Amino acid sequence: DAKTTQPTSMDCAEGRAANLPCNHSTISGNEYVYWYRQIHSQGPQYIIHGLKNNETNEMASLIITEDRKSSTLILPHATLRDTAVYYCIVRAGGGVGGTSYGKLTFGQGTILTVHP
Amino acid sequence: EAGVTQFPSHSVIEKGQTVTLRCDPISGHDNLYWYRRVMGKEIKFLLHFVKESKQDESGMPNNRFLAERTGGTYSTLKVQPAELEDSGVYFCASSQGGGQRRSPLHFGNGTRLTVT
Repeated sequence: DAKTTQPTSMDCAEGRAANLPCNHSTISGNEYVYWYRQIHSQGPQYIIHGLKNNETNEMASLIITEDRKSSTLILPHATLRDTAVYYCIVRAGGGVGGTSYGKLTFGQGTILTVHP
Repeated sequence: EAGVTQFPSHSVIEKGQTVTLRCDPISGHDNLYWYRRVMGKEIKFLLHFVKESKQDESGMPNNRFLAERTGGTYSTLKVQPAELEDSGVYFCASSQGGGQRRSPLHFGNGTRLTVT
C-alpha cells in the first residue's frame, strides 16, 4: 500500500471548518483513500473513503485532487468532541487474494485539537 | 446494529501467564482483523480472517500468539506465555466481504493488556 504523509498536529477553533491534508504521491490506480480517527481510549473510528471523486457523508467531506496525489478531509463545523488523532490511509482495492487484501496500514496521523 | 465487541476491556497478568482475548464482529461480517498498539508506537496489523480461514497472518509477532475463528463467527487471540513487551491495546475490526468498493473496517474499543 502507498505511504501517506500528514502534518503531526493541527489546531482548529470550535465551530470553524477543520481541513486536514494528506499526501499520497505514490498512490496507484486501484487504491482508495480512507480516513479514520481515534479519540482517546477508543478504537479507530471510520470517517470516510474515496477513490477519485469527492465524497461527503454526515461526518465529513473528502476532497481528492485530480492527480490523486493528495487529499483533504474537511470537518465542516468542528466541535470539541472532534479532538482526536486523524489517520489518512491508502488501501488496495478490487479483487480477492494477496497478502495485502483488506488490511489498513496506520501511520502516525495528525493530532487535531479543537479549542473553544 | 451492534458494533464490534471485545472482551475483556482490561487484563492484567504476570509474565509467563496465558491470556485469551475475544472479539465478536458485527453480525454478517466475513472479514475479521486483529491489530495492536504498543506504548508509543503505531497501530500495527496482526492478522486477517476471511470467515474461518486465515487470509493474512504476516503481522503476528511470534508463535506465542495464536488466533482462531472457529465457525467463522467470533475470534480469540491467545498469548502464551505472555512477555512484558506484549503489553498494549489489542484491537479487533470487522468488515463485510468483497467488492470493488472496499467495505470499511469497523473497530472495537480494544483490550488493554498489561503484563507485569
